[in-house]
Amino acid sequence: GDSVTQMEGPVTLSEEAFLTINCTYTATGYPSLFWYVQYPGEGLQLLLKATKADDKGSNKGFEATYRKETTSFHLEKGSVQVSDSAVYFCALLGVYNQGGKLIFGQGTELSVKP
Amino acid sequence: KAGVTQTPRYLIKTRGQQVTLSCSPISGHRSVSWYQQTPGQGLQFLFEYFSETQRNKGNFPGRFSGRQFSNSRSEMNVSTLELGDSALYLCASGASISGGHTGELFFGEGSRLTVL
Repeated sequence: GDSVTQMEGPVTLSEEAFLTINCTYTATGYPSLFWYVQYPGEGLQLLLKATKADDKGSNKGFEATYRKETTSFHLEKGSVQVSDSAVYFCALLGVYNQGGKLIFGQGTELSVKP
Repeated sequence: KAGVTQTPRYLIKTRGQQVTLSCSPISGHRSVSWYQQTPGQGLQFLFEYFSETQRNKGNFPGRFSGRQFSNSRSEMNVSTLELGDSALYLCASGASISGGHTGELFFGEGSRLTVL
């Protein structure tokens, strides 16, 4: 079945450092890919998405490119801020789109120190 | 536009009891999904409703059930609670159409259930 694998956390960075959170997936065909973010005490928020190969999703300085050849959707940001501290989830929606069932990775906790 | 509202936010139950959680989606959204979040298993899909019909169900026992009302509000019920049911239960709404789903979900803050 479809699955998502993320790099394990926690990831601790200094402010203004470069961020990469790796995400790879296993799925049939061309799923839609997402990054969601969960701030402390809150529900998840959609950060960015990509629906076809080579698409680049971007939002709030974060970017991720849908790479079909490596089945990856790595999240990057050039300069992180303390306010980016949160848990980041990679997710996919399968081709057969079974009633909105998103498959999530385990989540990667990011802590940014001033 | 009001977000997704879940009630109650926190609750404590004992083993064997049952619990009902409520979710009000964003106005105009007809799709409501439920997820269980635990430290060990992460986010796991419970079920999704669209126009009062369950479109998909995750791999949870029959003790977990749900329903959706004509105004798109949804409830989930867990009967005969077990210690392992302690979790954050998240509801999400989406502007799904009858033919499919975009995957763009709007989550509530969750209902944190503790089973003693």
